[in-house]
This record gives sequence, structure tokens and C-alpha cells, in this order.
Amino acid sequence: SQKIEQNSEALNIQEGKTATLTCNYTNYSPAYLQWYRQDPGRGPVFLLLIRENEKEKRKERLKVTFDTTLKQSLFHITASQPADSATYLCALPPNQAGTALIFGKGTTLSVSS
Amino acid sequence: DTAVSQTPKYLVTQMGNDKSIKCEQNLGHDTMYWYKQDSKKFLKIMFSYNNKELIINETVPNRFSPKSPDKAHLNLHINSLELGDSAVYFCASSQDLGAGGFEQYFGPGTRLTVT
Repeated sequence: SQKIEQNSEALNIQEGKTATLTCNYTNYSPAYLQWYRQDPGRGPVFLLLIRENEKEKRKERLKVTFDTTLKQSLFHITASQPADSATYLCALPPNQAGTALIFGKGTTLSVSS
Repeated sequence: DTAVSQTPKYLVTQMGNDKSIKCEQNLGHDTMYWYKQDSKKFLKIMFSYNNKELIINETVPNRFSPKSPDKAHLNLHINSLELGDSAVYFCASSQDLGAGGFEQYFGPGTRLTVT
């Protein structure tokens, strides 16, 4: 069955550094991958979508890569700020068409000043 | 304007009771979802509706029954609540189902506590 793994439950970095979060998947080839941000007590918020034919996508300080050979996506936040502290979730479509996203368990990022 | 709203925000109730959570979206989306997020923060799909029709019903006890009176609303009714039902329930919507890669918009969540 499909499996999504976000390699760290928690990641602590200093302000100004680049945060890199990893999402690995097994047992299928998704057409796209999405990243969401979730703050405590709130619902997830969509950040970026990257399709299988795209190697890299950028949005302001965010960059996502998608390596279909390694079955891995990397999510980078450059020049990180304390306001970037949150849980970041990757999400992929399941094998069956017409069904909802499958979410990873998330990585909680803490940026200290 | 809130895109996806849920009521109530918090719900504390006793075992055996029946409760409902309401969800409304003003985005004009065709698809709505209910997710459950447990204490370990794992977000899992429960139901999905597309144009008021049930599309996905994951392995969820029959005590949970979704109802979609129209495309903008998807309510969740839970009968005979159990301790294990304690979680945060999120409503979400998207333009269409996942094949096109449409982003999902989530509500603020309803924290259900069963005592």
C-alpha cells in the first residue's frame, strides 16, 4: 500500500538559516505533490503544488523539489524567520482516481531568534 | 470573509451522546471533505462529497454520518459518542477531486472531547 514518510517529527534551526524538510513516498507514482502549513489550533493552509514533470517550484522564500526517481520531495525555506515556525505537511493523491489526498504526519519546524 | 467555516469550534460531551458539526464553504467549490486529526496530529480522510454525492467513505464507523444539503454545506453527525472519537475534525473543500491536483481549503477545526 502507499506510504508517505516525513523524516523528522521536529526540526530546530536558527533564524536566517535554510530549513529543509523531506517527504518520501513508496509504492506508487503520484502525478503531483502538495505542501501545507499548519499552525497550532488552525487548519492546514496550502503552500505549493509540484507536478511530476516539474523538478522545482518556487514561491518567495519557499522552494520545493520533486525527484520521482528517488520518490522524494524536499521543501526548503530560505532565510528562515521565527514566524515560519509551524508544522509542514506533504500530501499526495492516492492511487485511485477521484479520492482525497493522503497526508504525511508532518514535520514541526521551530525557528529560534 | 471566511472561506470554510465550522461550528462549533469546541465540543465537550459525554459518552453515548449524539452531536453534530456543521461546515459551510463560500468558495463555490464542488467537493467537500471531512478529516480527523488525532492526538498524534495525523490527518486522515473520513468522507468526501462531490456535488452533494458521497464519493469517499473510508473505514469509519457507521456512527458517523455525513449529510450534504447543498454544495456549500457538509455536516457531520456522530451517534453514540465514544472516548476514541476525541480528536480535531476538519472540514475542507476543493474545486474538484484530487485528479487535477486542486488545493484544499481547510476550516478552523472542531475540537471534540468525549468524557
